[in-house]
Amino acid sequence: QVQLVQSGAEVKKPGASVKVSCKASGYTFTGYYMHWVRQAPGQGLEWMGRINPNSGGTNYAQKFQGRVTMTRDTSISTAYMELSRLRSDDTAVYYCARGSPVATILDYWGQGTLVTVSS
Amino acid sequence: QTVVTQEPSLTVSPGGTVTLTCASSTGAVTSGYYPNWFQQKPGQAPRALIYSTSNKHSWTPARFSGSLLGGKAALTLSGVQPEDEAEYYCLLYYGGARVFGGGTKLTVL
Repeated sequence: QVQLVQSGAEVKKPGASVKVSCKASGYTFTGYYMHWVRQAPGQGLEWMGRINPNSGGTNYAQKFQGRVTMTRDTSISTAYMELSRLRSDDTAVYYCARGSPVATILDYWGQGTLVTVSS
Repeated sequence: QTVVTQEPSLTVSPGGTVTLTCASSTGAVTSGYYPNWFQQKPGQAPRALIYSTSNKHSWTPARFSGSLLGGKAALTLSGVQPEDEAEYYCLLYYGGARVFGGGTKLTVL
């Protein structure tokens, strides 16, 4: 069965960087995109971007351009999302979600990783 | 900046029918926006319900259906159950970027 297992909660200081991992299993990792979505406390979902694990190609939401980097390690079927120059309003739960390369289909989601930014 | 708008909240009685909508600031929503719908309950990750306007995932209950209605994407729940009380989000495709709606809090009362 398809599973996306994310890394554990993080606490970071303003200005630091965080790197969240998402390990995929139960399907061919390079056959599907990986999207990253975040949700601030009490707020809605926000699409951050996606990576094509096959080519490494990325699309980032304009809001995060220059601060976010999405990468992958195909040898261990793991996608990564790194966010730099953290601010307090980056405090959120970060999710990975599998996406179909044909049309826009986000089907399976990770359990989420809470990133807290606090001095 | 593209904005996707949903009703902030809706209330429905058990057994009733309710339609949630999803509008784009760029104009009418068409199938080319590949509307997706997700359900999220407190403390849980979102769960996918509908993709490409009206297609259901294998786990999507039959009472959920998606469509285009009056220039918007729509999610209709027929025969609402108490467990359908949740936040619902739509997602639209904008040629590379994707944008979520603000969410609709559905209360079953």
